[in-house]
Amino acid sequence: DAGITQSPRHKVTETGTPVTLRCHQTENHRYMYWYRQDPGHGLRLIHYSYGVKDTDKGEVSDGYSVSRSKTEDFLLTLESATSSQTSVYFCAIDSGNTIYFGEGSWLTVV
Amino acid sequence: GNSVTQMEGPVTLSEEAFLTINCTYTATGYPSLFWYVQYPGEGLQLLLKATKADDKGSNKGFEATYRKETTSFHLEKGSVQVSDSAVYFCALAGSTASKLTFGTGTRLQVTL
Repeated sequence: DAGITQSPRHKVTETGTPVTLRCHQTENHRYMYWYRQDPGHGLRLIHYSYGVKDTDKGEVSDGYSVSRSKTEDFLLTLESATSSQTSVYFCAIDSGNTIYFGEGSWLTVV
Repeated sequence: GNSVTQMEGPVTLSEEAFLTINCTYTATGYPSLFWYVQYPGEGLQLLLKATKADDKGSNKGFEATYRKETTSFHLEKGSVQVSDSAVYFCALAGSTASKLTFGTGTRLQVTL
């Protein structure tokens, strides 16, 4: 257990609405990541953070924004959700050059 | 850029059979290599890792050897159990920021 909590775990939302997913960690890790998992693609990096207020884009960042105002929290926001953003979202932390994942957030955009 | 190629599944085996899931990679520099496992409805769990050439990672009866000459990191287990049924992901982390590049995953189903 790497001390990662994601919320909400499941959400259904309508197209065009904003959605925020939260990742909370308890072990003061510097690096945090957001990935999405889709069939046939494995996991792909959306955004990552290397410290408070320090973030950068990953492979599939379009349509997503992130914020990190505290070490323990990393937020992923879909400003206007689309059906293509229906996915499972995983938060992860880097602990000694090994990445550990949260339990995932299942998001459905209808 | 970095990439990981895994054999496509599903792989269906009888209990106690030998398992091999192939994984090859393309990367610059000297990446670290990982196998993650995902059980139904759950997140990814680290299964094993290797950080340099010829290293062997092992855990729960699974093994994989980092082969730089063939750019491979094949996952093996001598005798699978029904409880090993899951999706297995091969991944690599480059030399900066530990961002992972994943393969597409291989589903393993073990039957009695």
